[in-house]
Amino acid sequence: NAGVTQTPKFQVLKTGQSMTLQCAQDMNHNSMYWYRQDPGMGLRLIYYSASEGTTDKGEVPNGYNVSRLNKREFSLRLESAAPSQTSVYFCASSLPTGAPTEAFFGQGTRLTVV
Amino acid sequence: KNEVEQSPQNLTAQEGEFITINCSYSVGISALHWLQQHPGGGIVSLFMLSSGKKKHGRLIATINIQEKHSSLHITASHPRDSAVYICAAPLVDSGTSYGKLTFGQGTILTVHP
Repeated sequence: NAGVTQTPKFQVLKTGQSMTLQCAQDMNHNSMYWYRQDPGMGLRLIYYSASEGTTDKGEVPNGYNVSRLNKREFSLRLESAAPSQTSVYFCASSLPTGAPTEAFFGQGTRLTVV
Repeated sequence: KNEVEQSPQNLTAQEGEFITINCSYSVGISALHWLQQHPGGGIVSLFMLSSGKKKHGRLIATINIQEKHSSLHITASHPRDSAVYICAAPLVDSGTSYGKLTFGQGTILTVHP
């Protein structure tokens, strides 16, 4: 029962470096999401993918790009990391139906940009 | 954009106490989620409810759609319940992507032995 798997779990970057956060789910979910969690602000949606082949911006997309590689995988890329992107990043997935469904979250990636 | 507010932000209890965490939201929603996050850990879904009440072990979640309010109760609290509890609701424009959520700021619960 892997669920939603994120890699890496921890990362330290220097300002201006790039990196890709990986996310994979094995529940055959259509929809996948990237959130960031900052102290005192709650989680905020960065990008989401309603289905394979589609991606859309969320609340805080600036500085990020995403790729929905296939149904299982949804990656988040920081092209030029900035200290403001220091955060905990969570990937989530859900199965879209005609009614609300549970969302499943990964363990998070703790990113520090120095 | 709907807003989700939680209270209290911090909660300290002694083992065995009954705990209540509250969540209110500003617009009509289709469902509300209660999530748990242990320090340094991932996020786990506890409940998703659209009406009434759900129970799982010592955890009980209730929702009043008309009053736009939900509560999470923990009976006979235990130190292992210490975590951040988060309520969340689908964004108003979520369509069928019900994982597009807006989150409360979380309630930090500490249960002392």
